[in-house]
Amino acid sequence: GAVVSQHPSWVICKSGTSVKIECRSLDFQATTMFWYRQFPKQSLMLMATSNEGSKATYEQGVEKDKFLINHASLTLSTLTVTSAHPEDSSFYICSARDFQGGRARTDTQYFGPGTRLTVL
Amino acid sequence: RKEVEQDPGPFNVPEGATVAFNCTYSNSASQSFFWYRQDCRKEPKLLMSVYSSGNEDGRFTAQLNRASQYISLLIRDSKLSDSATYLCVVNKGGGADGLTFGKGTHLIIQP
Repeated sequence: GAVVSQHPSWVICKSGTSVKIECRSLDFQATTMFWYRQFPKQSLMLMATSNEGSKATYEQGVEKDKFLINHASLTLSTLTVTSAHPEDSSFYICSARDFQGGRARTDTQYFGPGTRLTVL
Repeated sequence: RKEVEQDPGPFNVPEGATVAFNCTYSNSASQSFFWYRQDCRKEPKLLMSVYSSGNEDGRFTAQLNRASQYISLLIRDSKLSDSATYLCVVNKGGGADGLTFGKGTHLIIQP
């Protein structure tokens, strides 16, 4: 149980294009999903917290107009990198918090396999 | 000061050895603590949560010292498959559930 998928696994695009990444919780409902980014030899950095049915909360320094997040259902959150540039090339990973029976299991976050974005 | 600090290594140890990693964290509001492992170009996978009382899972033992804001991981009888990067992770606290990751400690188990 507690599987999180991401699509696509990798994408190569030209500078200026927009890329959408999907994050799905396959066998549980996730009211909260998180988006992280990891540059080579760096730690994962939290970009934003995505809450179902409400606006995402962005970390300091992350442009909300550039990284659009939509969490329209309890099993799907999307991250759209708008007008991507080479400096946006990174490994984007989502995680989902398992929500059970009215009391969230705050200790358990399950990670997707990540999406490797390369912007030429 | 970095939010989560770890020695990046690499630690090269022979198979069967015991190895220990440490990390320190700066956010006193953090309430949840974890060790994750990350293989090259893969997503992080939860290894174990860390509790103040200390906890053990097979060959892995984790300790937390909240007063010193210090977390440790001990691996006994290391296996080749333990080769990975070990990430010290704390939650952001203050009602936020996002996680703060250390850069990781790279472990190489040699046959």
